[in-house]
Amino acid sequence: AQSVAQPEDQVNVAEGNPLTVKCTYSVSGNPYLFWYVQYPNRGLQFLLKYITGDNLVKGSYGFEAEFNKSQTSFHLKKPSALVSDSALYFCAVRDEGTGGFKTIFGAGTRLFVKA
Amino acid sequence: NAGVTQTPKFRILKIGQSMTLQCTQDMNHNYMYWYRQDPGMGLKLIYYSVGAGITDKGEVPNGYNVSRSTTEDFPLRLELAAPSQTSVYFCASIQQVNQPQHFGDGTRLSIL
Repeated sequence: AQSVAQPEDQVNVAEGNPLTVKCTYSVSGNPYLFWYVQYPNRGLQFLLKYITGDNLVKGSYGFEAEFNKSQTSFHLKKPSALVSDSALYFCAVRDEGTGGFKTIFGAGTRLFVKA
Repeated sequence: NAGVTQTPKFRILKIGQSMTLQCTQDMNHNYMYWYRQDPGMGLKLIYYSVGAGITDKGEVPNGYNVSRSTTEDFPLRLELAAPSQTSVYFCASIQQVNQPQHFGDGTRLSIL
C-alpha cells in the first residue's frame, strides 16, 4: 500500500535562512513523487516532481528536492526563505503501476517564515 | 486557459439537503478526481474517473455519487447532507501517469 508521511505539522524559519520540509514515502513499485503548495482559499499548485534521473530536482520559486531511495525520502528545500513562502506544503506519491493514476497525499506541513 | 473550474466556491446546506458540486476542465484530460480536505488530514480521494462513462470509488466514497458523461465534466453529488461532510472539496485532473495533477480552487461546504 502507498503512504506518505510529513512528520512536522509546522516548520518555522527566519527569512534568509535555509528551509527544509520533510517527506518520507512507501510504495510497492517505482515512485513518482510530487510537492505542491497551497495558499489560503486556493487549490494546490505544483512545485516540482521526481520521475526518474537525477536525484536532485529543481522546481518553481527556487525550491528543490532530493530523492533518496535508500531512505525513501523526498525532502523539500530552499537555500534562502522568503516571507512569501509561508504556506501549506504537501508531499504526494504515485506508484508507477497504480490503477487510475491515484495519488496519495501527506497531511501537509505549514511553513511559517518570519521577517 | 482556464484549467480546472469548480462551482460554487462557497455553500451552506442544511442537514438532509442535496446538492451537486460542479467541476469542468478544458485540457482534454481523461483522468479526473474528487478529494476532500479536512484540517490536518491532507487530501482524501472520494471518487475518480479514467474517462467518460467510467468512474470508481476512492478512499471515502460513502455519502457521495459521481457521473462522467463527457470528458470535460465530473460533477459530485451529495444526496443527504450530513455534518460530517463539512469540508473543502477539490477537483483535479491529469492526462499521464508522470504528470502532476491540476487542481481547481475548491468548494467550501458547510452543513448545519
